[in-house]
This record gives sequence, structure tokens and C-alpha cells, in this order.
Amino acid sequence: GAVVSQHPSWVICKSGTSVKIECRSLDFQATTMFWYRQFPKQSLMLMATSNEGSKATYEQGVEKDKFLINHASLTLSTLTVTSAHPEDSSFYICSASPSGVYEQYFGPGTRLTVT
Amino acid sequence: QQQVKQSPQSLIVQKGGISIINCAYENTAFDYFPWYQQFPGKGPALLIAIRPDVSEKKEGRFTISFNKSAKQFSLHIMDSQPGDSATYFCAATYNDYKLSFGAGTTVTVRA
Repeated sequence: GAVVSQHPSWVICKSGTSVKIECRSLDFQATTMFWYRQFPKQSLMLMATSNEGSKATYEQGVEKDKFLINHASLTLSTLTVTSAHPEDSSFYICSASPSGVYEQYFGPGTRLTVT
Repeated sequence: QQQVKQSPQSLIVQKGGISIINCAYENTAFDYFPWYQQFPGKGPALLIAIRPDVSEKKEGRFTISFNKSAKQFSLHIMDSQPGDSATYFCAATYNDYKLSFGAGTTVTVRA
């Protein structure tokens, strides 16, 4: 149990375009999902907290107009990187928690390359 | 500023040996301490977790030791195997459910 999927697993896009990444909890409902960014050989950096039915909460320094998050249902959250630039190239990972518990389960990640 | 400090940055252990990773924290509000294992190109996987009212938790070859007074906790990997070669992250959270991660430790198990 507690499986989280992400789609796509990797994506290459041209500078200036937008990319949408989906995060789904497959076998549980998640009122809260999290989005992280990870650079090579570094730790995970929390970008935002996504709550079903409400606006996402962004960490300090994360541009909310650039990284649009939508948590449309208890099993789906999306991250849209708008007007992507090469510096947005990174590994994006989501996590989800079953309601009311601490355990966070991570998706397999999405590798974004902006050319 | 990382709220959870992790060491060492990397370690090499022989097959069958013990890997030990240490973490320290300052925020006494933390009340849940998980460890994650991450392979290259993959998302982190929850390995084992502990609450501060428990001093030790063991699951298979993985053991967490927790010292509440010292605000330290550690992961011991017993009988290390080549398949354990990965990056390990300690983390901590409290009632906002946001995880504060350590910097990570890359473990290499030599056959």
C-alpha cells in the first residue's frame, strides 16, 4: 500500500514553454501533498504544501506565479512550471500523506530538462 | 538553514559490516523522525521511523537509536549488503507535517 505515482517521469521542453507534472496517490486519499525540488547530490528542498480544495502554501523564495500548484481532488495534485528556463531544470518529487498520519510517501520523481 | 544536521556526508563499508549515520536537531517540537532511502534517479522511500518516546526501534537489519535529551538520533544498518548502497536521509517533523531533511549520507557497500 501507500503508492504515489508521478507523470511524466522525465520531460524535455524548450525555454519559455510550460510543463505540467501530475502526482497521484493510488491507494489512499491525501488531503495534503508536498512538492520538492532536488538538485544533484543535494537534499530535498520543500517548495510548497498542497491542500485539497485550497490554495497551496509556498516556502520562502519559491515563486508562486512560476510554480502553479493545484490540488483538485484527494488523489491528485499538479505542479505547472510556467515559462520554464534552463535554471528550472531539476528533479521534482511529490509526496503525500494519508489523512491524519505523519508518514509521507514519495513519488518516483520527474526529471525536467529545459533547453 | 537546515534544522536537522546529518553526518557523515558519505561512508564506505565492507559487506557484512555496520553502517552508522547520525543526525541532530534543535527544534524540541519535532515529534516524528523518519529515515528515507533514495537510489539514483528515484524518489525517497520510507525506511523506518521513530517517535521521541521510544529509545530504539528495529526493523530487520535497520535500527534507529534515539536520544531525546541529546536531541540526537542515528540509523544503524547491520550486515550491510551491496544492495544497501544508496543515499540515506534523516528527517523530522511536527504538527504541520512538513519534513525537515538532513543533508544526506551516501553509503557505499563494498563486496
